Amino acid sequence: EVQLVESGGGFVQPGGSLRLSCAASGFSLSNHWMTWVRQAPQKGLEWLANITPDGSNINYVDSVKGRFTISRDTSKNLLYLQMNSLRAEDTAVYFCGRHRGPDLWGQGTQVTVSP
Amino acid sequence: DIQMTQSPSSLSASVGDRVTITCRASQAISSSLAWYQQQPGKAPKSLIYAASSLQNGVPSKFTGSGSGTDFTLTISSLQPEDFATYYCQQYYSYPFTFGPGTKVDIK
Repeated sequence: EVQLVESGGGFVQPGGSLRLSCAASGFSLSNHWMTWVRQAPQKGLEWLANITPDGSNINYVDSVKGRFTISRDTSKNLLYLQMNSLRAEDTAVYFCGRHRGPDLWGQGTQVTVSP
Repeated sequence: DIQMTQSPSSLSASVGDRVTITCRASQAISSSLAWYQQQPGKAPKSLIYAASSLQNGVPSKFTGSGSGTDFTLTISSLQPEDFATYYCQQYYSYPFTFGPGTKVDIK
C-alpha cells in the first residue's frame, strides 16, 4: 500500500528539539519530491520545506530557516524534519507529503511547545 | 512571497448545490496550483493539481480551472461528504504558499 506515516511528535519546552520521521511505503523517496507542511491549532496550512528526489536541492520557509532541517535516509525510505530552538508558535500538527503539491499525505503528528 | 487569497472564506450550501470557490495569486503562477479538501481532524486530501488535472480516484464532480492569477474550484452536486474546508496552494515560487481556506458547511 502506498502511504506515509509520521512519528516523533510530542511535548517539548521552548528552546528544545524534536526529530520527526515520515515512513514511506509503496514507493521510493529517491524518486519523488518530498514536503513538510504544518497546521497550527484552528489555523490553515503552512508549507515548511521540501527536498528534491536526488536530495541536491532543499528549500525552507523563512520562519523555520536555520532552525529546521529536512533530510532523508533513502536506504530506510524515511524522511526527517529536525526541529531545533522550538518556539510556542511551532505548536502544530506536522504533515509530510509526496510531491511539491502533495498528492499523498501522512496522517500528521502533533508537536506541542510549552513551558 | 506570493500571497494566495480565497473567496468566500466560508459558505453554506445544500446537498445537491453547485458551489464555486475562487483562489487568487498576488502574481502570475502559470498553472502551478493545487486544491485540497480537509475534513476536521484529518489530513488534507489532494483533489486537483496543475490547476485543472484531477488526482487519481477523485470524482469528476470536482473541476479546477484557471491560469495566471485567477483560479476556481467547482463542486457540482454537493454531497454530505463534501462539507469540508478547501485550500488552494501555489507551487510556482518559493516559499510555496496556501490560501487561507474556504469552509463549506451545510445550510
